[in-house]
Amino acid sequence: KAGVTQTPRYLIKTRGQQVTLSCSPISGHRSVSWYQQTPGQGLQFLFEYFSETQRNKGNFPGRFSGRQFSNSRSEMNVSTLELGDSALYLCASSLERGGDTQYFGPGTRLTVL
Amino acid sequence: GENVEQHPSTLSVQEGDSAVIKCTYSDSASNYFPWYKQELGKRPQLIIDIRSNVGEKKDQRIAVTLNKTAKHFSLHITETQPEDSAVYFCAASRSITGTASKLTFGTGTRLQVTL
Repeated sequence: KAGVTQTPRYLIKTRGQQVTLSCSPISGHRSVSWYQQTPGQGLQFLFEYFSETQRNKGNFPGRFSGRQFSNSRSEMNVSTLELGDSALYLCASSLERGGDTQYFGPGTRLTVL
Repeated sequence: GENVEQHPSTLSVQEGDSAVIKCTYSDSASNYFPWYKQELGKRPQLIIDIRSNVGEKKDQRIAVTLNKTAKHFSLHITETQPEDSAVYFCAASRSITGTASKLTFGTGTRLQVTL
């Protein structure tokens, strides 16, 4: 099976812009979670989607949002970008919610100038 | 919420030696503890995981132990090789099928295996 894929792999934006990142889970996986990875804060949970609904949310401002489509693909959006949003954004998919291994995609490296 | 502490932050061992990375967690309801390996510029990859109904799990040169009473779990790598060099993350979650699955990660351990 193909692994988790994320597009684009790299993005450069300026402050105030918005960005949309995409994640395609492993075929058959229905749960998608998003994480932000930075040198200072490490890996932090953003949100989880299952059956097109956000099921769990981390401690991030409302500028961070996402959605999931009927084919389980997911997108996350960050509006009004700030310098501190520069990070590697990772998505992870699992077969079902809870109790299952999460498999990570390669990430999208976002740089905010 | 859950808090996971990981030590050491860096670890240097000689090839062939063993490496041990330790994590503690705060939420006694956490029941799933995966370990991920992340090489430079690559995605985190699951190397081993353990659930709270098991005290120890081994996969070739890698083993994980769990002490639920102390809320402590450890990764053991034996006969280390240069390709083991990477950043290792522990994580914990309160994982019940059908409910939210949020991983809380430790801060990572940079393992360097020297020749």
